[in-house]
Amino acid sequence: DQQVKQNSPSLSVQEGRISILNCDYTNSMFDYFLWYKKYPAEGPTFLISISSIKDKNEDGRFTVFLNKSAKHLSLHIVPSQPGDSAVYFCAASRGGSYIPTFGRGTSLIVHP
Amino acid sequence: GAGVSQSPSNKVTEKGKDVELRCDPISGHTALYWYRQSLGQGLEFLIYFQGNSAPDKSGLPSDRFSAERTGGSVSTLTIQRTQQEDSAVYLCASSLGTDNSPLHFGNGTRLTVT
Repeated sequence: DQQVKQNSPSLSVQEGRISILNCDYTNSMFDYFLWYKKYPAEGPTFLISISSIKDKNEDGRFTVFLNKSAKHLSLHIVPSQPGDSAVYFCAASRGGSYIPTFGRGTSLIVHP
Repeated sequence: GAGVSQSPSNKVTEKGKDVELRCDPISGHTALYWYRQSLGQGLEFLIYFQGNSAPDKSGLPSDRFSAERTGGSVSTLTIQRTQQEDSAVYLCASSLGTDNSPLHFGNGTRLTVT
């Protein structure tokens, strides 16, 4: 029973274009969402987060959008760079729980 | 400062043997987590420590798995009588332990059971 779903295992984008990574969740108790980025042979690193009281959070080239009614969030990367090529994990947690639930990840490849 | 350190980075063991995986969290981080990633799968939660106690060990897949944390710092994940399905990358993470504080992951231990 996957509570956090990333339905696209992979995504290929040209350098300079926008990358959009999607994530859906089923647990309406989730109120905090995070994106992590993972390079091969390394652990995931925190990228950006959003609280359920917001619908958008921006940090440089990275923007996360949250649609609570649809239980959907997305990560936008603009402009995409070859160094962004990595696996991106969506994670969600609920208030009072310190344990995030992760999706299966989406592998992003940015072509020069 | 130093990040989360895990050892060994790779471990190959024969089915039926016991293994110990070690995690050194970031100094001052009270929360420590173990996850694993099997081939083609996401990050599967195993156990969470706050200080030396484990308020949530619901993710441990069987009683062959155990973990401890001492001195509010180093943690050891032990797998007894390893099986081939235990093959995975075992990831340790630590955090400040406050609400919504992000996790800082180590590079993982790749366990292969032959």
